[in-house]
Amino acid sequence: EVQLVQSGGGLVQPGGSLKLSCAASGFTFSGAAMHWVRLGSGNGLEWVGRIGNKAINYATTYGESTKGRFIISRDDSKSTTYLEMNNLKIEDTAVYYCTRPGITVSGLGFDPWGQGTLVIVSS
Amino acid sequence: DIQMTQSPSSLSASVGDRVTITCRASQDISNFLAWYQVKAGQVPKLLIYSADALHSGVPSRFSGSGSGTEFTLTISSLQSEDVATYYCQKFTGTPLTFGGGTKVELK
Repeated sequence: EVQLVQSGGGLVQPGGSLKLSCAASGFTFSGAAMHWVRLGSGNGLEWVGRIGNKAINYATTYGESTKGRFIISRDDSKSTTYLEMNNLKIEDTAVYYCTRPGITVSGLGFDPWGQGTLVIVSS
Repeated sequence: DIQMTQSPSSLSASVGDRVTITCRASQDISNFLAWYQVKAGQVPKLLIYSADALHSGVPSRFSGSGSGTEFTLTISSLQSEDVATYYCQKFTGTPLTFGGGTKVELK
């Protein structure tokens, strides 16, 4: 069974940092691109960014609102991807999900999703 | 960047009603369009991929159509368990932008 299990998250002050983890199982992690998506209370779903596999030199791409502050990385030996969030703003408050393009849908939709991790940015 | 615009932002319908949600892309995205259902407190669920392909396990009352810049998600007969917010997403070229969402409630 393909599974994504997240950890990390919590309460952080504006300007602070936090690192989320997403451990994968049930598929060949090293070959997969991994994505992060967030769901804010007033903003809906927002694509945060992605990291490619070794074949494309682990290339990363980010959404406009997180570019320059968030860093996505991966450790293929641990089948884990990370989202490092720096200089956090109140508007970064959201539930963060890791996900991947679905194997059974020819990579044309996100499936499965991690269980989600709540990040609250507040003083 | 390509923008994705959904309408309406919310709707109220009765059980058994036919519900249609529209998603428009600011540029041609062919059929690279996915639809998701997000229920309160739950993980997003993929419903439709490639604009009109029903994901495994999704009830057949859900259907998708369209190509290019205009797409629709239809629920043929709304059920109480369909109360949720629905999002479209372009699935070609980054950023993989989502639409703003359509909240579906029961009348």
